[in-house]
Amino acid sequence: QVQLQESGPGLVKPSETLSLTCTVSGGSISGYYWSWIRQPPGKGLEWIGYIYYSGSTNYNPSLKSRVTISVDTSKNQFSLKLSSVTAADTAVYYCSRDNGNTAMLSWGQGTLVTVSS
Amino acid sequence: QTVVTQEPSFSVSPGGTVTLTCGLSSGSVSTSSYPSWYQQTPGQAPRTLIYNTNTRSSGVPDRFSGSIVGNKAALTITGAQADDESDYYCVLYIGSDIRVFGGGTKLTVL
Repeated sequence: QVQLQESGPGLVKPSETLSLTCTVSGGSISGYYWSWIRQPPGKGLEWIGYIYYSGSTNYNPSLKSRVTISVDTSKNQFSLKLSSVTAADTAVYYCSRDNGNTAMLSWGQGTLVTVSS
Repeated sequence: QTVVTQEPSFSVSPGGTVTLTCGLSSGSVSTSSYPSWYQQTPGQAPRTLIYNTNTRSSGVPDRFSGSIVGNKAALTITGAQADDESDYYCVLYIGSDIRVFGGGTKLTVL
């Protein structure tokens, strides 16, 4: 049973870059698509983007200019960077293992990132 | 901009059957939209229920089923139980490797 764990700073200052890592255990990162999803407090879910284990990516058009997702197969990890953050980027951030490039299958527990000075 | 639509709220009686829907602001949902469904209770991570229209995720009871009804994706819950009271989200694949979440449906079991 694959497990995913998000990690990274819980507080980021406005205009800085949010950085999170998802560590995959119980299975290999190879052969799968992996996504980041977020949920602002009290609001719905938003897909941020995915990365294939080979490194190919695709992003939500609304965030594309600020998002970078990367993968480190040697560490069985993938990462999210979101630049120029504002208070609107405050959210619980989830990572997932996907079914192809169309759906999330397994989820991490999520990590709250607050953007505040 | 493509908007995925869901009923904001729905209620069902214990033991009853409810069908939640997931549509597109413009156009029809088909199997090529690869609809998927997720259940989320407060403070918890989402749980995948259905993907590829009607494939149940591992461990999901067969009380949950997915389909296409008319021009929308549908999630049907039969024999509703108290712990089915949750938020339900759908996701549609809209092409160009883009997925979009619906706004979610808050299901009440009472």
